Amino acid sequence: EDQVTQSPEALRLQEGESSSLNCSYTVSGLRGLFWYRQDPGKGPEFLFTLYSAGEEKEKERLKATLTKKESFLHITAPKPEDSATYLCAVRSNSGYALNFGKGTSLLVTP
Amino acid sequence: DAGVTQSPTHLIKTRGQQVTLRCSPKSGHDTVSWYQQALGQGPQFIFQYYEEEERQRGNFPDRFSGHQFPNYSSELNVNALLLGDSALYLCASSFGGETGELFFGEGSRLTVL
Repeated sequence: EDQVTQSPEALRLQEGESSSLNCSYTVSGLRGLFWYRQDPGKGPEFLFTLYSAGEEKEKERLKATLTKKESFLHITAPKPEDSATYLCAVRSNSGYALNFGKGTSLLVTP
Repeated sequence: DAGVTQSPTHLIKTRGQQVTLRCSPKSGHDTVSWYQQALGQGPQFIFQYYEEEERQRGNFPDRFSGHQFPNYSSELNVNALLLGDSALYLCASSFGGETGELFFGEGSRLTVL
């Protein structure tokens, strides 16, 4: 059975203090690893898709990387507006569903 | 360009009642997926509809059913509500369902008393 574990559960950073969020996964045939951002009371917003080990994607202060067992979301010089819950999800070759982790709640203080 | 719209945004029901949630996908999208998100948890896959058929179903009981209409909009029905059904119900749309790049609505917050 597919499994996604995110750590830490919560992270508090000072503005400008770079850090990384971790997503460990087990899946039978990876058809994609996805990162989403979710603001309170809103639906998740798509950030990145990664398909194979070694792949990297960047968007503004965010950079996602992928190995055969985990993915990292690196946040460089974060700003308060980066505060949100970041969700990781995997899709296996057995279907169309995304299997989400519980998320990392990020708070960036000025 | 309208994104994914869901209704109602909030509703309160009592145990044993039935509820219907509605979703209109993003313009140009033909696939609708439904997810349940309990407080402090990640979304859990309920089912996906494509070409008016249920294409895949998650680990949810038969009390959860759905429908997709010819205009690609969708409904989620839950019968015999339990306290544990209290959650945020998210609708997500995509084109063809082959991508995990889903566009989510803001959800319907269901409270069961």
